[in-house]
Amino acid sequence: AQRVTQPEKLLSVFKGAPVELKCNYSYSGSPELFWYVQYSRQRLQLLLRHISRESIKGFTADLNKGETSFHLKKPFAQEEDSAMYYCALRPGNTPLVFGKGTRLSVIA
Amino acid sequence: EPEVTQTPSHQVTQMGQEVILRCVPISNHLYFYWYRQILGQKVEFLVSFYNNEISEKSEIFDDQFSVERPDGSNFTLKIRSTKLEDSAMYFCASTQGDQPQHFGDGTRLSIL
Repeated sequence: AQRVTQPEKLLSVFKGAPVELKCNYSYSGSPELFWYVQYSRQRLQLLLRHISRESIKGFTADLNKGETSFHLKKPFAQEEDSAMYYCALRPGNTPLVFGKGTRLSVIA
Repeated sequence: EPEVTQTPSHQVTQMGQEVILRCVPISNHLYFYWYRQILGQKVEFLVSFYNNEISEKSEIFDDQFSVERPDGSNFTLKIRSTKLEDSAMYFCASTQGDQPQHFGDGTRLSIL
């Protein structure tokens, strides 16, 4: 079965500290993986997709097929990064399977 | 940048009543989705729609639910007889196909 696991419900870091939001997935085929972000009272927005390999707002994520992980990283957290972050898997051309989300709180 | 729009932003309904949630997907998109998020839980897939028919649905999407594309722009989710456990945020999303899904702001449904 396809599954996305985000082990941390809440992650608090100080401003300027490095951030790593963990995501592990379970899927036997070649997955497509995404990170979506939801700022307070706003819609889900695409942050990253693994095939584009770009850096958005300083965030990067590398797909590690051996560890079935797609952790989201940023070297220096900013206060405006505080939000809910969802890792999502799209197995083939099908609907997204979401993780439970991690709330990132950046403390000044 | 074009957006997915959803109305209303908040709907309060008595248990047992019918409710219709509306979405206007991005105009050149072909695939449409409904997801829901119960408070404190993850976003869950409900149904996908392509070429004027349901292409996939989850176990949650039982006979109480239906979707329609009544005209060229709207995409609606109807819940025939609401239950308390239907209270959730409902998100509409659309995509051209191979591209990431774009989400609306969501409708908060509260069943009393």
